[in-house]
Amino acid sequence: DAKTTQPTSMDCAEGRAANLPCNHSTISGNEYVYWYRQIHSQGPQYIIHGLKNNETNEMASLIITEDRKSSTLILPHATLRDTAVYYCIALNQGGKLIFGQGTELSVKP
Amino acid sequence: NAGVTQTPKFQVLKTGQSMTLQCAQDMNHEYMSWYRQDPGMGLRLIHYSVGAGITDQGEVPNGYNVSRSTTEDFPLRLLSAAPSQTSVYFCASSYWGTGATDTQYFGPGTRLTVL
Repeated sequence: DAKTTQPTSMDCAEGRAANLPCNHSTISGNEYVYWYRQIHSQGPQYIIHGLKNNETNEMASLIITEDRKSSTLILPHATLRDTAVYYCIALNQGGKLIFGQGTELSVKP
Repeated sequence: NAGVTQTPKFQVLKTGQSMTLQCAQDMNHEYMSWYRQDPGMGLRLIHYSVGAGITDQGEVPNGYNVSRSTTEDFPLRLLSAAPSQTSVYFCASSYWGTGATDTQYFGPGTRLTVL
């Protein structure tokens, strides 16, 4: 599975959109981009995933560039409860979920 | 559904002791896995199972044993605990592997300290 690169930390003001970038320049055609998050001391939580097209669900939106070498997770109206570590993972069918260091997002009042 | 449950929530062991961390899921998931998370670090895959009777090693399998006799349960055994195994352990499950449509569901974790 392709390696992903994320910023170590980011801040976001409460109520504003949080845009979390992820680089995956070596991603292959059959690898999906998955996002999970981990709120302090809890087990990770699935957020969203996508292959080529942009995706949206009740939690977030995922924007994948046309060349698929990078993506952005968007939390449209961040709240204090969105403070967490966010993991971007490139994964193919049947692959093992391997976590990197992730981005520590701090949502501030 | 209770989802993924883990017991105990906390455990303190002495070096050399053995113990089993329990993990159960009631979602009829084929795939189950164990991760450890050291302070300030990401999760690392220890062992995983794609179904009853089938297990395989992850990134950091040394010092741990697993077995999968039923779909529901996936216990993790520490044969001779070492201080380096002090960590938070998470169990996860999904319908099949971590494929394109398979969301992993994680348990609440077991916090283990080895003295």
